Amino acid sequence: GENVEQHPSTLSVQEGDSAVIKCTYSDSASNYFPWYKQELGKRPQLIIDIRSNVGEKKDQRIAVTLNKTAKHFSLHITETQPEDSAVYFCAASMRGGSQGNLIFGKGTKLSVKP
Amino acid sequence: GAGVSQSPSNKVTEKGKDVELRCDPISGHTALYWYRQSLGQGLEFLIYFQGNSAPDKSGLPSDRFSAERTGGSVSTLTIQRTQQEDSAVYLCASGLAGGTDTQYFGPGTRLTVL
Repeated sequence: GENVEQHPSTLSVQEGDSAVIKCTYSDSASNYFPWYKQELGKRPQLIIDIRSNVGEKKDQRIAVTLNKTAKHFSLHITETQPEDSAVYFCAASMRGGSQGNLIFGKGTKLSVKP
Repeated sequence: GAGVSQSPSNKVTEKGKDVELRCDPISGHTALYWYRQSLGQGLEFLIYFQGNSAPDKSGLPSDRFSAERTGGSVSTLTIQRTQQEDSAVYLCASGLAGGTDTQYFGPGTRLTVL
């Protein structure tokens, strides 16, 4: 089955700096890669996603890149702000059959210091 | 519109008791998922319902765990003879369809087994 590895587990940056979180996946059939942000005590919220027919997607300060050959994808946050502090999870899933569930990475705790 | 709701928000039970956790998905969503999040950990897939298809139970950790979805809407996750290691936040998510469609999470039920 699919396995998703996420690095780093913790990341501390100064406000205004960029943050990059990387994930690798094992199943080449996976074709959907969302990123979720979870603030303390709250539900995971989708912040951006990418499908396998696209190499990069950007939404304001957030971007995701996908390298299908290497089976890795990354989240890039530019001009970080204290409110970006949260745990970020990457995930992968595959269309088709009953394989609808997301396989999550173990999360990255991002701290943005003012 | 209304998001995914879950009840109760918190549940404290004694070891050996049975518990039922409820999930109300977003109206019209045919896909429904249950995940478990242990303290400081990622999200572990439990079970997935898609329309009238047989559920994907491949993530259920033991036969003490079961779930049903009545009328294609509300779902109940049942844990029989609870153990202390069952303590976690149980998250429900729903989506328009499985695979590459966005999953929207509920607020979760925090289960504590004493």
